[in-house]
Amino acid sequence: QVQLVQSGSEVKKPESSIKVSCKASGGTFSSYSINWVRLAPGQGLEWVGGIIPDSGTVNYAQKFQGRVTITADESTTTAFMELSSLRSEDTAIYYCARVRRTRYTSVWSWGPKELYYYNRMNVWGQGTTVTVSS
Amino acid sequence: DVQMTQSPSSLSASVGDRVTITCQASQDISNYLNWIQHKPGEAPKLLIYDASILEAGVPSRFSGSGSGRRFSFTISSLQPEDIATYYCQQFDKSPPAYTFGQGTKLEI
Repeated sequence: QVQLVQSGSEVKKPESSIKVSCKASGGTFSSYSINWVRLAPGQGLEWVGGIIPDSGTVNYAQKFQGRVTITADESTTTAFMELSSLRSEDTAIYYCARVRRTRYTSVWSWGPKELYYYNRMNVWGQGTTVTVSS
Repeated sequence: DVQMTQSPSSLSASVGDRVTITCQASQDISNYLNWIQHKPGEAPKLLIYDASILEAGVPSRFSGSGSGRRFSFTISSLQPEDIATYYCQQFDKSPPAYTFGQGTKLEI
C-alpha cells in the first residue's frame, strides 16, 4: 500500500521561497502523476500544479505560473514543490496527491491511438503546514 | 477555464437523512468530475470518480450522478462520521488540470 510522506511544517518570511517534498513509500511514480493541492485558512481546496514523472510533463494553475516549480526524482520516488516570492496569502496546508490514470482510445485520421487521462486523485500525503509571516 | 459552482455552501442534516449536493460546470465537461471528502486534520479522500464510480473501499451510501454540466452527489443515509467538507473536482484530460468547487460543509 503506497503512502505519500511529506516534509515537515515550516515558517517562512515574506518574499522567501519554500521547497516541500513528497516521498512515495511502498510504491512507484510510474504510470501516475503527482499533484499539489493547498488549503488556505477559511478557503477551499485549490490545485497548484502537477507533474507526470514518466514524461516530465508539468502543468501549473495559472494563478501560480512563474512562482511555482514542481519536479520529481523517480530514483528516490520523491516529488518536490517549490514556491517563491512567498506572501501571507500563501499560508496554507499543502498536500501532495498521486493521481491514477485511465486508458482510453482516441480515433485519429490515421487510426486509433491509446491515450491516458489522469482522473483518480486517490492517494494523499499528510499535508505540510506553511506559515508565511514576518 | 471551466468554473464549478457548488451548492449549498453549508448543510445541516440529521443522522439517517438523505443528503444531496450539486455541482454545475460552466461548460460541458462530459463525466470528468470527482467528489472528494475532507475532514479537518486529515488528508482529503476521493469518494467518487468519473462522476459516478465509487472508489474502492468507499461505503455504498455514497453515490454520484450526472454528465455534461450538472452533477449531484448523494449520501443515502447520513452517518456521524460523514461530517466533513465535500468538494466536486473537475479535471481536464490534456494537459492534466483540476478545478475544485467551493465546497459544502456538512454538519449534523
